[in-house]
Amino acid sequence: GAGVSQSPSNKVTEKGKDVELRCDPISGHTALYWYRQSLGQGLEFLIYFQGNSAPDKSGLPSDRFSAERTGGSVSTLTIQRTQQEDSAVYLCASSFDSQGAGEQYFGPGTRLTVT
Amino acid sequence: GEDVEQSLFLSVREGDSSVINCTYTDSSSTYLYWYKQEPGAGLQLLTYIFSNMDMKQDQRLTVLLNKKDKHLSLRIADTQTGDSAIYFCAESSTGGGNKLTFGTGTQLKVEL
Repeated sequence: GAGVSQSPSNKVTEKGKDVELRCDPISGHTALYWYRQSLGQGLEFLIYFQGNSAPDKSGLPSDRFSAERTGGSVSTLTIQRTQQEDSAVYLCASSFDSQGAGEQYFGPGTRLTVT
Repeated sequence: GEDVEQSLFLSVREGDSSVINCTYTDSSSTYLYWYKQEPGAGLQLLTYIFSNMDMKQDQRLTVLLNKKDKHLSLRIADTQTGDSAIYFCAESSTGGGNKLTFGTGTQLKVEL
């Protein structure tokens, strides 16, 4: 079966523009997580969804960041008015649910570069 | 808040055992994980251990957990060049939606 997919794989944008990053989880996985990997901050949790609800958004760095999930499947992470410090690899993971061992399977990531 | 620490680098010879160490601070950690990241690739789940266990073995991988000292280790037996990668430990707590808190990552270099 297919794993977690993310698009685009690379995105270069100018400072101040908005970007949308997409994640397609493994079919049947109800939990979906967004993380960010950057040189300065390592791997950081951003937000997670159980179904279409986001019980924990505590990792979103500012109100320029938002995410949604529709139909319990695809999720979109939106960054408005991008800044250079937003440059990072954005990773999406999914798991069967958000309880128990909750083994998370990661996608290949979207590398975002803000110029 | 939670904090997970790892040493940054480890170099071993092919065929030797590698031991990657991790310490964490969250006493409510329920599960502890090891992930592998090869250059340009995503994170691959290697293994995980429940906090009430002290050891788990899976082929060449052995995970040891000392809950009292909040110390986790990953031993790779007969290390191969294909094991060269960055290894991340991570912890999660049930009741927190299993969001992962990652360590800084240990870069393992396997030399011939």
